[in-house]
Amino acid sequence: DVKVTQSSRYLVKRTGEKVFLECVQDMDHENMFWYRQDPGLGLRLIYFSYDVKMKEKGDIPEGYSVSREKKERFSLILESASTNQTSMYLCASSLRGNTEAFFGQGTRLTVV
Amino acid sequence: KQEVTQIPAALSVPEGENLVLNCSFTDSAIYNLQWFRQDPGKGLTSLLLIQSSQREQTSGRLNASLDKSSGRSTLYIAASQPGDSATYLCAVNSNDMRFGAGTRLTVKP
Repeated sequence: DVKVTQSSRYLVKRTGEKVFLECVQDMDHENMFWYRQDPGLGLRLIYFSYDVKMKEKGDIPEGYSVSREKKERFSLILESASTNQTSMYLCASSLRGNTEAFFGQGTRLTVV
Repeated sequence: KQEVTQIPAALSVPEGENLVLNCSFTDSAIYNLQWFRQDPGKGLTSLLLIQSSQREQTSGRLNASLDKSSGRSTLYIAASQPGDSATYLCAVNSNDMRFGAGTRLTVKP
């Protein structure tokens, strides 16, 4: 079975902190994605990556950056956390092209 | 930019009913369309994947159809059960992956 693992289920951080959310997949997938999910707004794409060291902005990249140094790991970085970044963050991966996407269990981040 | 819409936003049915969830998208140049289920506070579980060349996929009581030219997909759930209560999301894959806002389904015993 494909496994996508996010490093934390719940995280509480202070305003202004630098926050790292980690995602690891074990199926050699090329594509990896970061979304945030908020009530009434659905899943919004923050960044995605289709290969090592490659990244593309999604719909809401402001305040975030990403890192993909190894194929299996895709990190989301909040440079200076703010309260409006309190959300559920979901990571996904897939093979390039016509394949199924798999999701991690999500990280609920609260910024206080 | 691909826009994905799901109707209805919420649905409540008695146990045993057959039901249809709708998903529409604006750009027909897609690789595939995937239906997910999400339970409260949890991640997404994949239900069905339909490739762009396919018309439908079935898994148990679930049947998903795809009409790429009209930008529509439906998820049909037969003989609904209380355990089917969840939010159902469709995602359209056309290089990136875009989601609808979901349909929150409640099946009452």
